[in-house]
Amino acid sequence: AQKVTQAQTEISVVEKEDVTLDCVYETRDTTYYLFWYKQPPSGELVFLIRRNSFDEQNEISGRYSWNFQKSTSSFNFTITASQVVDSAVYFCALSSSGSARQLTFGSGTQLTVLP
Amino acid sequence: DAGITQSPRHKVTETGTPVTLRCHQTENHRYMYWYRQDPGHGLRLIHYSYGVKDTDKGEVSDGYSVSRSKTEDFLLTLESATSSQTSVYFCAISGGSSYNEQFFGPGTRLTVL
Repeated sequence: AQKVTQAQTEISVVEKEDVTLDCVYETRDTTYYLFWYKQPPSGELVFLIRRNSFDEQNEISGRYSWNFQKSTSSFNFTITASQVVDSAVYFCALSSSGSARQLTFGSGTQLTVLP
Repeated sequence: DAGITQSPRHKVTETGTPVTLRCHQTENHRYMYWYRQDPGHGLRLIHYSYGVKDTDKGEVSDGYSVSRSKTEDFLLTLESATSSQTSVYFCAISGGSSYNEQFFGPGTRLTVL
């Protein structure tokens, strides 16, 4: 069975602060994929990043960065210099190869960035 | 943006009535999914399809059925709606070169009174 845990239910920061959203996963598969999705107040789900289990390089995209550590089964997401527009619910998800690409989602972290 | 539409976008119905939600894609992707989103639970998979007429159950399939007669359409049916099925329903697609990531439709807000 697969499981994704996002222990932080809600986080509130002031604009320009850095914030890290935690994601811990469980799977018995050796090949798997990890994802982050953003759900802004408008309700749509926006794909942010995919990382496969064989690629532990960290990734940076603008103010966003992701830290993948297999040793701790974590795939954390950091927003640098947060902005009000970053306010959203962020979901971490896991998919194993051969599982018809099914995604197992965490329960999400509500991020509020205050001006 | 992936071409995914859902209809209706909002629906209010009464307990015991049948309800069908439609997901339509223009991407010709092989895989299609139905999720429900409830507070504190994230998104949970209801059913998915890996091809025309090929479907399987997800984590929370009780009370739901699906059909896929064409690549582009995936229907979710609540045979007899209950108040516990009040939720936001999302359709997603996956396939092509975008291996494994899923792209989501805009969602359908269903209220069962």
